[in-house]
Amino acid sequence: AQSVTQLGSHVSVSEGALVLLRCNYSSSVPPYLFWYVQYPNQGLQLLLKYTSAATLVKGINGFEAEFKKSETSFHLTKPSAHMSDAAEYFCAVSSSGGYQKVTFGTGTKLQVIP
Amino acid sequence: SAVISQKPSRDICQRGTSLTIQCQVDSQVTMMFWYRQQPGQSLTLIATANQGSEATYESGFVIDKFPISRPNLTFSTLTVSNMSPEDSSIYLCSASRDLDSGANVLTFGAGSRLTVL
Repeated sequence: AQSVTQLGSHVSVSEGALVLLRCNYSSSVPPYLFWYVQYPNQGLQLLLKYTSAATLVKGINGFEAEFKKSETSFHLTKPSAHMSDAAEYFCAVSSSGGYQKVTFGTGTKLQVIP
Repeated sequence: SAVISQKPSRDICQRGTSLTIQCQVDSQVTMMFWYRQQPGQSLTLIATANQGSEATYESGFVIDKFPISRPNLTFSTLTVSNMSPEDSSIYLCSASRDLDSGANVLTFGAGSRLTVL
């Protein structure tokens, strides 16, 4: 079984401040990990993915995430928030083999304050 | 990545009726999935739409309630049958293709927002 826990359903940051969205995973096998972003009235888009290569993964729009096995974490960061980053962010996990069912976290809504 | 079109984008339905959501992908994909996103909750996988065979349903979802078709590698439908207000939700179609990394990276449609009165 696999699951992800996202801490904080709502996060507010000032424009230009650091963005940190937390995600912890649970998986009985080596996982693949993902961050997706959903803008209002749109489907989810892939921000970045971890597939057991480099532990620090860079994605689109300046976001990055670091896979920490010892902490079972995959937190999403961005050094400087932009107004356009306001959206809902979902962490997700799948197994790295076999039937790769993707399990999503409950999401974190990011608000960027001018 | 693939572009996915869903319709309808939204609908208001009466209790007891059924609605079919269509999902069209602009390229052939190996796997298609249907998710439900209820207000304030995460995405829940309903089923995997298999081309040429019956869909594979997740625990808690049954074919009689959510019949799915997948006649080819670019198209799928999800029907929400005998709707009740509890079925009010956003229904998302998604697809994946085999990538070099081997990961199941999903592309999503914009969703179909159903309100059942």
